[in-house]
Amino acid sequence: AQSVTQLGSHVSVSEGALVLLRCNYSSSVPPYLFWYVQYPNQGLQLLLKYTTGATLVKGINGFEAEFKKSETSFHLTKPSAHMSDAAEYFCVLDQGGKLIFGQGTELSVKP
Amino acid sequence: DAMVIQNPRYQVTQFGKPVTLSCSQTLNHNVMYWYQQKSSQAPKLLFHYYDKDFNNEADTPDNFQSRRPNTSFCFLDIRSPGLGDAAMYLCATSRALPRVSDTQYFGPGTRLTVL
Repeated sequence: AQSVTQLGSHVSVSEGALVLLRCNYSSSVPPYLFWYVQYPNQGLQLLLKYTTGATLVKGINGFEAEFKKSETSFHLTKPSAHMSDAAEYFCVLDQGGKLIFGQGTELSVKP
Repeated sequence: DAMVIQNPRYQVTQFGKPVTLSCSQTLNHNVMYWYQQKSSQAPKLLFHYYDKDFNNEADTPDNFQSRRPNTSFCFLDIRSPGLGDAAMYLCATSRALPRVSDTQYFGPGTRLTVL
């Protein structure tokens, strides 16, 4: 069965610090992976996606993620956190057009 | 700008009183989805339309229905809302199905409160 696991439901960082949100997946076929961000009382916004090709994917707002097949991981990073990055982040696996969501990670940014 | 629009953003209804949520899109996408997202949980797919073809998820309660009168609009009808139906309802669209990796574009959501 295909699944997505996000390690840590809450992550807190200081402004300017590295952001690392962890995601591991399980898939019997080559995966297509996404990161979505959700600000309070808003819909989901696509940050970045991996389909095929380059394993380091750059997204909006300075975020990037690296697909590592050997580790079945797709961790999201940002070198320097900003207060505006505080939100819920979802790692998502595309199963033939049906999205499988991770549980979400709430990112807090301290001044 | 092309987008997914949901109205209203906040909806309050009474226990058992039918309610309809609206979604429209200017992307001219073939597929429209409805998700339910309860507090501190991931979105859960209720159903989707591929053009006029309706696809219900196996565990979606009969209380939830949907209509898609044309490409641009899709409605979510809750026939008899219960307290457990209070949630954020998200509409999304994608260009095609089942082409894998076709990005889903989400609306801002409608937060439903059931009194």
